Order: sequence, then C-alpha cells, then structure tokens
Amino acid sequence: KAGVTQTPRYLIKTRGQQVTLSCSPISGHRSVSWYQQTPGQGLQFLFEYFSETQRNKGNFPGRFSGRQFSNSRSEMNVSTLELGDSALYLCASSLGQVQNSPLHFGNGTRLTVT
Amino acid sequence: DQQVKQNSPSLSVQEGRISILNCDYTNSMFDYFLWYKKYPAEGPTFLISISSIKDKNEDGRFTVFLNKSAKHLSLHIVPSQPGDSAVYFCAAPTSRGGSEKLVFGKGTKLTVNP
Repeated sequence: KAGVTQTPRYLIKTRGQQVTLSCSPISGHRSVSWYQQTPGQGLQFLFEYFSETQRNKGNFPGRFSGRQFSNSRSEMNVSTLELGDSALYLCASSLGQVQNSPLHFGNGTRLTVT
Repeated sequence: DQQVKQNSPSLSVQEGRISILNCDYTNSMFDYFLWYKKYPAEGPTFLISISSIKDKNEDGRFTVFLNKSAKHLSLHIVPSQPGDSAVYFCAAPTSRGGSEKLVFGKGTKLTVNP
C-alpha cells in the first residue's frame, strides 16, 4: 500500500509570493491533516480535512489555507509568503480516531522563503 | 502554552545500552499518548502508544511507561542500536467537534554510538 505522498519535496520562493503544496493520502484514508515543523516551534497543527470539509484549524494566520478534493487528496496554500514561513510542511492521513489508527505522515515539503 | 514537553533536546548513548526518553504533559484531560520517530528528510513514523488506562506498553525493544499522577511518560529502548538514532517526538491527541489534532513535544534527538 502506498504511503502518504507529498509534492514537491523542496521549494524555494521569494517573500510576497504564494505557494501550493500537494498531498495524496493513503488509499482509503479520508482524514488529512497538515503540520508545520520549525526548529523553534516544533510540530504545529495547521488544519484537518475530512470529506472535503475543514473540521479543525490551528492558530495560523488566514494566509494559510487548504482544501480537500473528493478523492481525499489535499492541497495547502500560503499566500504573501514571509521569511518565517520557511519550514517543513508535513501532511498526515488517518482512517479515523488516533486510538484506532495513528496518523501516517508523508516525507514533507521543505519550503524556503528568501 | 506548551502542553507536551520534552525537556532534553538531545541524548547520547552507547550501542547495547538503554535509552530513556522523557516527556511531561500539563493537560490532565490527555488520555492517550504516542511516540513518533523521525529520521532526517523523512516524515515522522509511528512507534508506540499508550492509553491512560495502562501504565506500561511494550513492543519488542520499545516500552512506554506512563505515570499519570506525575503527568510523565517515558520511552525505553533496550538494547539501543545505531539505527535508533533519530528524533523522537511525544504526542497527545486533542479533540474538537469530532476532529483530532496531535499536540507534539519539541522532540529529543537520540544518538546511539557504535
């Protein structure tokens, strides 16, 4: 069974630009979550989607947005990039409750903002 | 407000010895905990979990202990192997409206020396 796939693996963008990251969950997983990892803040929750609906959102500005498609694939978008947005962005999918199905993470997209 | 804390950023042990990674939490509502392992350039992978109804869970070389009164858990790796060198994250799920998110500690980098 294929794992969680994230594309692209690496991105370099300039301040003020916008970026779209893509995630394909494990087949059959309908919940997709996004996390940001930075050296200072660790892993922080961005948002979670289930059946094309955003069910939960972390404490990030409105520049961070996402969506989920009918095939459970998800994208996240960051507009008006800032230097502080440089981070590893991780996508995770699951079948349901964590106690029954732990989150499975992709290898992430490394975003560098210059 | 960091609800899950890993106070040791790094740990170095000799191959064959025991590795003990610690994690403290502040939210007494947490009733389930997970440990993830992360290699460079890869996403976190699920390692082991424990429910608050237990005080110990074992899986091969990995054992997690939970002390609810102290709000403390630890991951023991015996015997440690060089391939165990990675960053280990402690995490706990929180729920809102049927959606779960994981709250992570900032991680402990384990180095196992041959």
